[in-house]
Amino acid sequence: QSALTQPPSASGSPGQSVTISCTGTSSDVGGYNYVSWYQQHPGKAPKLMIYDVSKRPSGVPDRFSGSKSDNTASLTVSGLQAEDEADYYCSSYAGNNNFVFGTGTKVTVL
Amino acid sequence: EVQLVESGGGLVQPGGSLRLSCAASGFAFSNYWMHWVRQAPGKGLVWVSRITNDGSGTSYADSVKGRFTISRDNAKKTLYLQMNSLGVEDTAVYFCARLDYGGTDFDYWGQGTLVTVSS
Repeated sequence: QSALTQPPSASGSPGQSVTISCTGTSSDVGGYNYVSWYQQHPGKAPKLMIYDVSKRPSGVPDRFSGSKSDNTASLTVSGLQAEDEADYYCSSYAGNNNFVFGTGTKVTVL
Repeated sequence: EVQLVESGGGLVQPGGSLRLSCAASGFAFSNYWMHWVRQAPGKGLVWVSRITNDGSGTSYADSVKGRFTISRDNAKKTLYLQMNSLGVEDTAVYFCARLDYGGTDFDYWGQGTLVTVSS
């Protein structure tokens, strides 16, 4: 199973929006509405931010939103804040109870 | 409060073995499938292995198949990963993660334990 493709980096000024893409195949991202997004600060555990493409767990700000079109999912962070600076990983169900992660995107708040 | 606490990491020589543990608390451990995910230094997350809630079913990434064994003790609320024939490519932080009840995402993660394979 190949890793999902994400851009290595993305950036934006405070208050702006940033969108991260996550490209897979019809066997993972395109085949299921089970894409999730994780935020990871340096030295910390990943934190679930979005699940089932666009749902937010309790406690996650509504500045975080997700979407999907064909084999590409996207995470948008609106109203960027300093604490949003982190690595972000997508993940997709890939059938047969297997999951695949994205390559990761470092978001920098300028 | 859901907590997952990994332990057992450390420095091991190539070809050696190590057993990782993940102690769970704050939820009905026996109801959930559990996974191991690893992250090499400066690299991304990579799925390693998973086990069903009752331990009857397991799955592994091709890179660890035949060398790693996942298991669990529901009475002790603990997840394990036995790692044999370790190579330098296995150097990583190993996270245990709970698969949510719907089976579509990892809703809780441990803080990770570092495994370093080096001579």
